[in-house]
Amino acid sequence: DTGVSQDPRHKITKRGQNVTFRCDPISEHNRLYWYRQTLGQGPEFLTYFQNEAQLEKSRLLSDRFSAERPKGSFSTLEIQRTEQGDSAMYLCASSLRQGTDTQYFGPGTRLTVL
Amino acid sequence: GQNIDQPTEMTATEGAIVQINCTYQTSGFNGLFWYQQHAGEAPTFLSYNVLDGLEEKGRFSSFLSRSKGYSYLLLKELQMKDSASYLCAPSGGYNKLIFGAGTRLAVHP
Repeated sequence: DTGVSQDPRHKITKRGQNVTFRCDPISEHNRLYWYRQTLGQGPEFLTYFQNEAQLEKSRLLSDRFSAERPKGSFSTLEIQRTEQGDSAMYLCASSLRQGTDTQYFGPGTRLTVL
Repeated sequence: GQNIDQPTEMTATEGAIVQINCTYQTSGFNGLFWYQQHAGEAPTFLSYNVLDGLEEKGRFSSFLSRSKGYSYLLLKELQMKDSASYLCAPSGGYNKLIFGAGTRLAVHP
């Protein structure tokens, strides 16, 4: 158990609906990352928070995607007007900005857009 | 540009040794991580290299050559439970991980 939790674990939605995912990092970790993984591929970086500040967003993150980490603890990732191409596993990882800065991943949220 | 190259699939026999190679080109480099990922599960941390050379952790070892953009993961005394995907991930700016498609390892009795 790495300590990172994500909710929900699975989400099925219809195209055009909005969805929101939550990530709770390991409590003392100040860095939080979101990645997306499709079948047969490695995870792709989406966005990064240091405490509450969103410091980097991938070009993969279209205007329909927004992420927050309001108090520097948990984070949410919202997808508006979902498309079938958004179907993927959404992974959250956290790390402590010192030492090896190893990222520990949560179990992921599997999104299926019908 | 950024590019991570690993073999797509490998097979090995229980009890044997296998080496998974990774070459990379990234625009920034802080270090290189190896993760293991079983089907349907999240990646789990295996090893980290920031300096050239070999890091050993039990049955797993990882090697890095920064000048060559090359790393390998060595798995000894293979067990059936080692059947998984192995992901090579250099870290770039803000330590974000840059993953390739990974290597699917199948261990046979």
